[in-house]
Order: sequence, then C-alpha cells, then structure tokens
Amino acid sequence: TQLLEQSPQFLSIQEGENLTVYCNSSSVFSSLQWYRQEPGEGPVLLVTVVTGGEVKKLKRLTFQFGDARKDSSLHITAAQPGDTGLYLCAGGDSGYALNFGKGTSLLVTP
Amino acid sequence: EAGVVQSPRYKIIEKKQPVAFWCNPISGHNTLYWYRQNLGQGPELLIRYENEEAVDDSQLPKDRFSAERLKGVDSTLKIQPAELGDSAVYLCASGSRTRVVNEQFFGPGTRLTVL
Repeated sequence: TQLLEQSPQFLSIQEGENLTVYCNSSSVFSSLQWYRQEPGEGPVLLVTVVTGGEVKKLKRLTFQFGDARKDSSLHITAAQPGDTGLYLCAGGDSGYALNFGKGTSLLVTP
Repeated sequence: EAGVVQSPRYKIIEKKQPVAFWCNPISGHNTLYWYRQNLGQGPELLIRYENEEAVDDSQLPKDRFSAERLKGVDSTLKIQPAELGDSAVYLCASGSRTRVVNEQFFGPGTRLTVL
C-alpha cells in the first residue's frame, strides 16, 4: 500500500485568506487526484494531475503535481465559506487502485 | 448524467443484526468500488469489481462481509453479523475502463450506526 500523508490535518481560517494544503508520499504515482467532501456527502472529484510538474487551476484553486510525481499541493486564494470541507488526495497506480490520504479538514468562517 | 446512487442513506441497527447496502453506478461504468470511511479518515477500499468479477477483495473482512454485483451493474454489500466497530460511512464509487486515469465518482454514502 502506498501511503499518502496530508498536512495540515485541520485548518481554520477567515474568509479572504489564502491557504495551501499538502499531500506527500515516498511512492511515485501515475496520477493524483484531489477530492472535496462535504458533511454527509461522498467525495467529489476536483482535479486529476498526471504529469510531473503539472499545474491546474480551477477558479480560485491551484493544484500542482510534484516533479517526481510523489507529492502535490492545493492552494486556495481568497477562501470563501463555501470552500469548507474535507480535502482528500488520492494517488493512482498503473492499475485501478486509489490510495487515499486522511484528508485536510478546512473551515472557512465569514 | 445521473450520478452514483446509494441506499439507504442512513441505517441504525443493533449489534449482531444483518445489514445490506445497495449501489447503482453511473451508466456505462465497468468498475465499481466499495469503500469504508471512518470519522476523520480517508476512504479505505473494501472491494473492487470489474464488471461482475471481484478483482480485489483483499481488504474485505470475509468472515462477516460479502458483496455481489450480479449482471455487472448494481451491487450490494452485506454485513452479517454487524459489530460495533462496523459503524462508519460506506461509500460506493464507479469508474470507466476507457479513461486513461483512474477517476472515481462517488455516491453519497450510507452512514451505518451499530448500537
């Protein structure tokens, strides 16, 4: 099993602040995905990164895949209360398995 | 396009009772997954199906858990008998083999409470 460590585990910020969460592993992944999960719901796929060094933007969210494809970061600019949720990263191998990290729980207060 | 459907959304049972969860994947998705998610944790894979074949059930506690995917579409996950430690959210996800990367689409989950 390829372990993914996410940090920080918890993050509480005020609306308008910027933040970065991290996803690290000692293993190389063929792809890495970020999901957001709101209370009482299943995870929702935000983005998939495949190429080392790849950067993808989704509105105020910027995702980066490390050059060695072992780590990733998610940066949120000007956070809003609607960004509140559990952010999960998941690494994919050459098959169809995904290994999930434990997630970063984000709370954005008005 | 309809998403992954799961039922029931919530289930409360007493220990030693049986319980079953149902999942209808996204139309056309060959791969179906069952995950268990404990509070404050990421999802952990229980079983993965390719069509009707269980190709990875190494993490499924087979003494009390069973699953089936008849006709390669809907799937059920059963626990018999349930234990207190089985309280968790059970998530179903589906994906398509035609996609290059392993993107999975999740249902809303079933929250199980064992008393």
